[in-house]
Amino acid sequence: DAGVTQSPTHLIKTRGQQVTLRCSPKSGHDTVSWYQQALGQGPQFIFQYYEEEERQRGNFPDRFSGHQFPNYSSELNVNALLLGDSALYLCASSFRAELSYEQYFGPGTRLTVT
Amino acid sequence: GNSVTQMEGPVTLSEEAFLTINCTYTATGYPSLFWYVQYPGEGLQLLLKATKADDKGSNKGFEATYRKETTSFHLEKGSVQVSDSAVYFCALSDKYSSASKIIFGSGTRLSIRP
Repeated sequence: DAGVTQSPTHLIKTRGQQVTLRCSPKSGHDTVSWYQQALGQGPQFIFQYYEEEERQRGNFPDRFSGHQFPNYSSELNVNALLLGDSALYLCASSFRAELSYEQYFGPGTRLTVT
Repeated sequence: GNSVTQMEGPVTLSEEAFLTINCTYTATGYPSLFWYVQYPGEGLQLLLKATKADDKGSNKGFEATYRKETTSFHLEKGSVQVSDSAVYFCALSDKYSSASKIIFGSGTRLSIRP
């Protein structure tokens, strides 16, 4: 049973460019959450997708957007990249109806903006 | 808003030493509390959890007790091993659901000397 997978592993972009990160949830999961982890910090919640709609959003600008597909996989898009967007981006999946509290995290995508 | 404050690192101990990593939280209502661990090059893993006051979460020799009166959830282990070297995150979730966003502390890096 594959866990949460993310691609790519690493990415280098230039300021002002756009980037798309991808996430496949753990088998059986229907909810995907995205987090940003800056170096030396804890992860910060970006947003969450369920039934192909954004259900919760953290304190991130509209440059950060996402999408969820019918197969529950998800994309995170960041437009007009800033140097401060350099971070590890983590995807977490869960099964919404399950009252287990556990979200399963992927290994992350390391984004470097130069 | 809800927040988590944890002991700053890095923490360096010798093998078989006793470990305590302090964590306090601020939340309205009755949050669920977690400790996550991040090993080098890997994603976040749930280490243990507690969902109500006086609950004790435990896993792999680690323990933490949900103390509502002191709003704390300190992580302890009686005898650490080199393999415990990692970054530890205290976290909370404010709803009884696996789909709720998680709020993380800033992390504590633990290094164990042989």
